[in-house]
Order: sequence, then structure tokens, then C-alpha cells
Amino acid sequence: GDSVTQMEGPVTLSEEAFLTINCTYTATGYPSLFWYVQYPGEGLQLLLKATKADDKGSNKGFEATYRKETTSFHLEKGSVQVSDSAVYFCALRDSNDYKLSFGAGTTVTVRA
Amino acid sequence: GAGVSQSPRYKVAKRGQDVALRCDPISGHVSLFWYQQALGQGPEFLTYFQNEAQLDKSGLPSDRFFAERPEGSVSTLKIQRTQQEDSAVYLCASSELPRDLSNQPQHFGDGTRLSIL
Repeated sequence: GDSVTQMEGPVTLSEEAFLTINCTYTATGYPSLFWYVQYPGEGLQLLLKATKADDKGSNKGFEATYRKETTSFHLEKGSVQVSDSAVYFCALRDSNDYKLSFGAGTTVTVRA
Repeated sequence: GAGVSQSPRYKVAKRGQDVALRCDPISGHVSLFWYQQALGQGPEFLTYFQNEAQLDKSGLPSDRFFAERPEGSVSTLKIQRTQQEDSAVYLCASSELPRDLSNQPQHFGDGTRLSIL
């Protein structure tokens, strides 16, 4: 079945540091890949997505590239801010499917 | 607002009680999903509706869980005879098109945090 494995947290960084959250997946088909973010007290929000190999999703300074050869979709940001403190979820939706499969989430805390 | 709305935000119930959780999807969205998010985990799929039809309930953990969407808009997730392991955040999501074939994203509500004492 489909599964997503992402880097365990928590991750604590200083402002302006570089952030990487690793995500790898297993899928039976050809999935679309997503990063969702959950800010404290709020619901899940779509951060970025990629639907085919070598696509790069980007939003709010975050980027992730769909790497089919390594079945990965690592999230990166070059200079984090305190406001980036949140839980980040990697997710996939397999082709011919509709439901999302999520990783366990990575809690990121950015200190001023 | 234009987003997915869930109520209540918090629900505390005693073990054995029945609970009902409500989801108002974005107006006009055909697809509606329920997910369960245990503490420290990612959301897990429970069930899927296309309009009023429940096309997939494979993720419902037991027959104590029941979901409906009678008019193809508002949905209710009901849990009967609640157990402590039912404690979780229940998330509702909607998307515009059936089965997301166009890769439209799922829009999530803020969830209902259910605590069973």
C-alpha cells in the first residue's frame, strides 16, 4: 500500500537558518505529492504540490522537487522565520485514487 | 467565510456516550472527506462522499462510526458508544471535483478535537 515516511522531529532552528525536512514515499501508482502545514491552533493548509517527476513545487519561500528515482519530496527553505513555526506534513495521492496518505508530521520551531 | 467549517471545535464526552461532529464544506464542492488524526500522527482517511453518495468507508475503524451527507452538502460523523481510543482530532476536507481527478487540492477545516474520558 501507499505510505509516506518523513523526518522525525522536533526540529528547532534559529531565525534565518536553512531548513530541510526529508520525505520519502512508497506508492503503487504514479502519485501526486504534497506538503501541508498546520500552524498552532489552525487546520491543515496546502503549502505546495507537485504532480509529476522533476516538478518543483514552491510557495512562501519553501520548495520541494519530485524525485522519482529516489522516491523523495524533501522540503527546503533557505531562511526560516519565527512565523514558520508549525507542523509540516508530507502527503501523497496515488494515481486513480482520491484519498491522501500522510506522513507523521514534523514539528518545526524557529527561535528569534 | 469561504472555508470548510467544522463544529464543535472541541468535544468532551464520557466513555459510552454518542457524539456527532459536523462539517460544512466549501459551497459547491462535490467531494467530501473525513480523516482522523491521533496525537502526534498524520491524518488517516476515514471515508469519502461524492455529493450524497458515500463511495468509500474503508477507513472507518469500526461499526460504531457512521457518516452521512444526506443532501450532498453538510456532513455528520457520528460515533456511537465512544471509547477512549476514539480520542483524536477529526478533520473534514472538501474539493471541487469528483475524486480530484484534476488534482485539485483538498481544503481542510480546523477540525474537531474529541476527548473521551
